[in-house]
Amino acid sequence: GQQLNQSPQSMFIQEGEDVSMNCTSSSIFNTWLWYKQDPGEGPVLLIALYKAGELTSNGRLTAQFGITRKDSFLNISASIPSDVGIYFCAGRGEETSGSRLTFGEGTQLTVNP
Amino acid sequence: NAGVTQTPKFQVLKTGQSMTLQCAQDMNHNSMYWYRQDPGMGLRLIYYSASEGTTDKGEVPNGYNVSRLNKREFSLRLESAAPSQTSVYFCASSVGFSTNEKLFFGSGTQLSVL
Repeated sequence: GQQLNQSPQSMFIQEGEDVSMNCTSSSIFNTWLWYKQDPGEGPVLLIALYKAGELTSNGRLTAQFGITRKDSFLNISASIPSDVGIYFCAGRGEETSGSRLTFGEGTQLTVNP
Repeated sequence: NAGVTQTPKFQVLKTGQSMTLQCAQDMNHNSMYWYRQDPGMGLRLIYYSASEGTTDKGEVPNGYNVSRLNKREFSLRLESAAPSQTSVYFCASSVGFSTNEKLFFGSGTQLSVL
């Protein structure tokens, strides 16, 4: 089956710093997504990407759909304490059975005030 | 605006016990899903229901059964719980299966099987 490798697994940063995380796939995806999970809650969709090379922003968050269609990146600028949580990438590939989503393992982000 | 509601929030079972996790959505969505979340493994799809009246296996269906009771409700049943089923379970819904990238999740059920 398809696999997503998300890195880093965890990050500890100071408030105000910028953050970058990425996700790579073993096969081509036609949709890339980034979700955030707050402690004790379910994931919430942050950004959806549908075309190779697409760059989309949502406030301080910017995500890119890689040109090769096998990777995606999420950047958070000027981090604040409420950015704490687990960030998941997810993708839907051409070969995915029934167009199911595949999720990465998550990046745990900790922001120190 | 309730969105996706899951019950219970926490549950402890003994090996071999059975239980049903309940899920309801009030967004008139056609598709519903059950995921499990384990440390370092992301979210894995257990079962899904693309539309009312249909259910299909996901990535990790063994040991589970589901029922799409009506358009609003999708339950997950563990017939004989095993320690390997200790996990956090999330129910989710989407408008349709073709738009399943926009998933709306419940707040999860933390299940421990002793």
